[in-house]
Amino acid sequence: GNSVTQMEGPVTLSEEAFLTINCTYTATGYPSLFWYVQYPGEGLQLLLKATKADDKGSNKGFEATYRKETTSFHLEKGSVQVSDSAVYFCALSDNSGNQFYFGTGTSLTVIP
Amino acid sequence: DTEVTQTPKHLVMGMTNKKSLKCEQHMGHRAMYWYKQKAKKPPELMFVYSYEKLSINESVPSRFSPECPNSSLLNLHLHALQPEDSALYLCASSPSETGREQYFGPGTRLTVT
Repeated sequence: GNSVTQMEGPVTLSEEAFLTINCTYTATGYPSLFWYVQYPGEGLQLLLKATKADDKGSNKGFEATYRKETTSFHLEKGSVQVSDSAVYFCALSDNSGNQFYFGTGTSLTVIP
Repeated sequence: DTEVTQTPKHLVMGMTNKKSLKCEQHMGHRAMYWYKQKAKKPPELMFVYSYEKLSINESVPSRFSPECPNSSLLNLHLHALQPEDSALYLCASSPSETGREQYFGPGTRLTVT
């Protein structure tokens, strides 16, 4: 079956620190992979995506590379800001239907 | 425009009330979704509509009744809810093709008293 495993949080970083949030997946076929961000009291916002192996998604300084050999899609940012404090969800779509599979979410707090 | 709108933003209802949640998108997407999200948890899929037809019902209790009047609108009718149904209800849409990204609305915060 399809599933996504995300690193447990919460994660607390100082401003300008390097961020990595690990995400690995299990899927049949060739899924599309996504990172979503949810700020307090809001819905989920698409942060970035990758649709095939070796694709790199990037947005707002965040990056993630679709690694088929390690079934991973780790989120990285070189220098986090206080405004990046939010919950981050890794997700996959298995291309055979309209369903998404979400990871459990990782809460990030960035302190000044 | 990648906006999905939801109304109301907040809703408080008693266990005997009937209310409806509304979702709207004008991106031409043909798949629309309802999710339920509890605090500190990922969204849980409730229903999927594809081309205005219900394609997935994740064994949701009948006190939740979805409706898709047209390709831009999605409603969720609520009746005889329980306090444990209190949650953030999220609507999303995506292009008809599989494997595409979903765009989420801001959600309706529902409290059942």
